[in-house]
Amino acid sequence: GENVEQHPSTLSVQEGDSAVIKCTYSDSASNYFPWYKQELGKRPQLIIDIRSNVGEKKDQRIAVTLNKTAKHFSLHITETQPEDSAVYFCAANGAGQNFVFGPGTRLSVLP
Amino acid sequence: EAQVTQNPRYLITVTGKKLTVTCSQNMNHEYMSWYRQDPGLGLRQIYYSMNVEVTDKGDVPEGYKVSRKEKRNFPLILESPSPNQTSLYFCASRGQSYEQYFGPGTRLTVT
Repeated sequence: GENVEQHPSTLSVQEGDSAVIKCTYSDSASNYFPWYKQELGKRPQLIIDIRSNVGEKKDQRIAVTLNKTAKHFSLHITETQPEDSAVYFCAANGAGQNFVFGPGTRLSVLP
Repeated sequence: EAQVTQNPRYLITVTGKKLTVTCSQNMNHEYMSWYRQDPGLGLRQIYYSMNVEVTDKGDVPEGYKVSRKEKRNFPLILESPSPNQTSLYFCASRGQSYEQYFGPGTRLTVT
């Protein structure tokens, strides 16, 4: 089945700097790759997603890139702000309706 | 307001005492899923359902049961809970798009 790896597990950046989180997946049939942000004590919230027919997608300060050949996708956050501090999860859709999540990255934005 | 609700939000129980966590959505979504979240492991899918009376196992189904008798409800049943089922549980639903909407979570402790 699908396996998703995510790096780094923790990331600290200075406010205003960029943050990059990387994920790899194993199932070449996966075609949907969402990113979720989870603040402490809250539910995961979708922040951006990308489908396999697109190489890059951007939404204000957030962008996601996908390399299907290498089976990896990345989240890029520019001009980070303290409210970006959270745990971020990548995911991929496996066989059927099975969604597989990465283990998460704890992002800390230091003022 | 479109939402996914779960009850109870917090539950402390003892080993072997059957329990049910309810999940309901008001968006007329076909797909519903249950996940458990453990530190360092991300979210792992327990069961999912593609429509009424159609369910399938996710990655960690052992010790859990589900049912989908109505489109809006997808209860998670632990027939004989054990301490290794202590976790944070999330229900999620989605329509024809891949975007999942998560419930607020249920923190379960089994002693």
